[in-house]
Amino acid sequence: EAQVTQNPRYLITVTGKKLTVTCSQNMNHEYMSWYRQDPGLGLRQIYYSMNVEVTDKGDVPEGYKVSRKEKRNFPLILESPSPNQTSLYFCASSFTGTGDRGYTFGSGTRLTVV
Amino acid sequence: GEDVEQSLFLSVREGDSSVINCTYTDSSSTYLYWYKQEPGAGLQLLTYIFSNMDMKQDQRLTVLLNKKDKHLSLRIADTQTGDSAIYFCAEIPNQAGTALIFGKGTTLSVSS
Repeated sequence: EAQVTQNPRYLITVTGKKLTVTCSQNMNHEYMSWYRQDPGLGLRQIYYSMNVEVTDKGDVPEGYKVSRKEKRNFPLILESPSPNQTSLYFCASSFTGTGDRGYTFGSGTRLTVV
Repeated sequence: GEDVEQSLFLSVREGDSSVINCTYTDSSSTYLYWYKQEPGAGLQLLTYIFSNMDMKQDQRLTVLLNKKDKHLSLRIADTQTGDSAIYFCAEIPNQAGTALIFGKGTTLSVSS
């Protein structure tokens, strides 16, 4: 089944403890992206990647890192999480970044930083 | 900057038609999307329309696009309780690179 898989689905962590949220897609998509969803603010893009080893900042990149060493994986790294990073995170992928055929989203990761 | 605007709530009775409206920001956006998010779930692509089209129909879903007014609508015919969800309008504005820009979502509540 064609899908975007995120792990974990739920995570509670403490301030300052490094964490990684994994994202993997099996559709050979070139484009991958991370969004966060917050009440009243909708979905905002954190980082995106046009292809392997090509990443760029979205609207809200502060406090996050990403890497794209392989086409299928695009992990989101929080080096020193803070409570304002408590949010629902979505990974998305697409054949290209231009939007034809749409974006496929993962099921989400709900992160709580205490 | 401008936002993608949607009304926050819509309540309908089962069997009625639902119309969710959206105003987007960039008249040169190539693709416009409707996503559905059910409680506790991710975003499911419902349908999308290419900017050179005025209308697209897919079973119970009809998308209307008015480029002059930058207005997009989603009509759901014969609305069912399973259609209760949050519906997001989204665009990829040319000047924003490749980011999907979302509205804040319309919560559709269907009562039986």
